[in-house]
Amino acid sequence: DGGITQSPKYLFRKEGQNVTLSCEQNLNHDAMYWYRQDPGQGLRLIYYSQIVNDFQKGDIAEGYSVSREKKESFPLTVTSAQKNPTAFYLCASSIDLNYEQYFGPGTRLTVT
Amino acid sequence: EDQVTQSPEALRLQEGESSSLNCSYTVSGLRGLFWYRQDPGKGPEFLFTLYSAGEEKEKERLKATLTKKESFLHITAPKPEDSATYLCAVRSNFGNEKLTFGTGTRLTIIP
Repeated sequence: DGGITQSPKYLFRKEGQNVTLSCEQNLNHDAMYWYRQDPGQGLRLIYYSQIVNDFQKGDIAEGYSVSREKKESFPLTVTSAQKNPTAFYLCASSIDLNYEQYFGPGTRLTVT
Repeated sequence: EDQVTQSPEALRLQEGESSSLNCSYTVSGLRGLFWYRQDPGKGPEFLFTLYSAGEEKEKERLKATLTKKESFLHITAPKPEDSATYLCAVRSNFGNEKLTFGTGTRLTIIP
């Protein structure tokens, strides 16, 4: 079955620690994305990648970092510089930047 | 700046009671309007893409329509399993490749 996997489903961290969220897709999609979802707000774009070894900042990239070393994988690191990291994080992919995006199941990160 | 407003915020319907959800948008040239369904605690599920005014798409009990200023998601004879939050997003001709999302309509179908 083709799809997008995110792990873990729930993640708990102490303030001041960096944490990496995993995103893998087997859809052979070129483009991948990371969004953040908070209650009462629309999804907001953190980073996106059009192709391997290339990525661009979205609207809220501060305090986050990404890498795209393989087509299938687009991990997101939430650094200690992110002031309000507790949120639901969603990874998505698309054939390329012009097509509809398909989302993974999400990771709920709680930082205390 | 692109903007998307969805209404109502929440809608409760009896099973079988048809209705419509609204997505109003402001973009600098529309390059696609997208509808998604999201169940609690899960990722959004893609439903439709609309590109130009007058376009319509259907899937089971759902039909999406598009004008130059808004899109409607019509739900006909809904069932309890249609309960979810429905998200609308737009992509514009200018700027980067991002989608701008609305905050969603939370739909509850009462048996």
